[in-house]
Amino acid sequence: AQSVTQPDIHITVSEGASLELRCNYSYGATPYLFWYVQSPGQGLQLLLKYFSGDTLVQGIKGFEAEFKRSQSSFNLRKPSVHWSDAAEYFCAVGPDTGRRALTFGSGTRLQVQP
Amino acid sequence: GAVVSQHPSRVICKSGTSVKIECRSLDFQATTMFWYRQFPKQSLMLMATSNEGSKATYEQGVEKDKFLINHASLTLSTLTVTSAHPEDSSFYICSGLGDTEAFFGQGTRLTVV
Repeated sequence: AQSVTQPDIHITVSEGASLELRCNYSYGATPYLFWYVQSPGQGLQLLLKYFSGDTLVQGIKGFEAEFKRSQSSFNLRKPSVHWSDAAEYFCAVGPDTGRRALTFGSGTRLQVQP
Repeated sequence: GAVVSQHPSRVICKSGTSVKIECRSLDFQATTMFWYRQFPKQSLMLMATSNEGSKATYEQGVEKDKFLINHASLTLSTLTVTSAHPEDSSFYICSGLGDTEAFFGQGTRLTVV
């Protein structure tokens, strides 16, 4: 069965500092990987996705993620965090390009200090 | 990107009543829609998969008689929480399947009092 682990429940960074959110997955075939952001009381917004090709993918809002098959990881990064980035971040894995339901990690709550 | 509109965004109902949540794909046709549930400080858990014109497929542990799903058209799926109880209070999110990815609604915060 597929699973997603986000080891960090809560992360606090200073505005302007760099950010890395960890995501590890377990999946028996080629995974399709996603990162979503959720602001309080809101739905999910797709930040980026990886299907194939270049293992470093660029997303919206200055985020990027790197797929490392050997480590079963898909960590999300941003060089300089803005206060508006404070939110909940979910990593998800799916069996294909999203044509079936996704399995989500437990989420990482990001707090940004001024 | 494509838009999925979910309504209402918030609802408070009395215990024992039913609540209907609508999920519409505004600019694409979604033959498949997913319904997720999210408890406070937890991740999204898939409740059911609905396909237009057929019965929904429910995940293990989800009561199909309590959570009625209708997907009568390519742009609309509804989730009805019947005889709601306080333990049904949660955040419900729908997702419509486009050509290459799924698009999420804004979610519905249900509070049963």
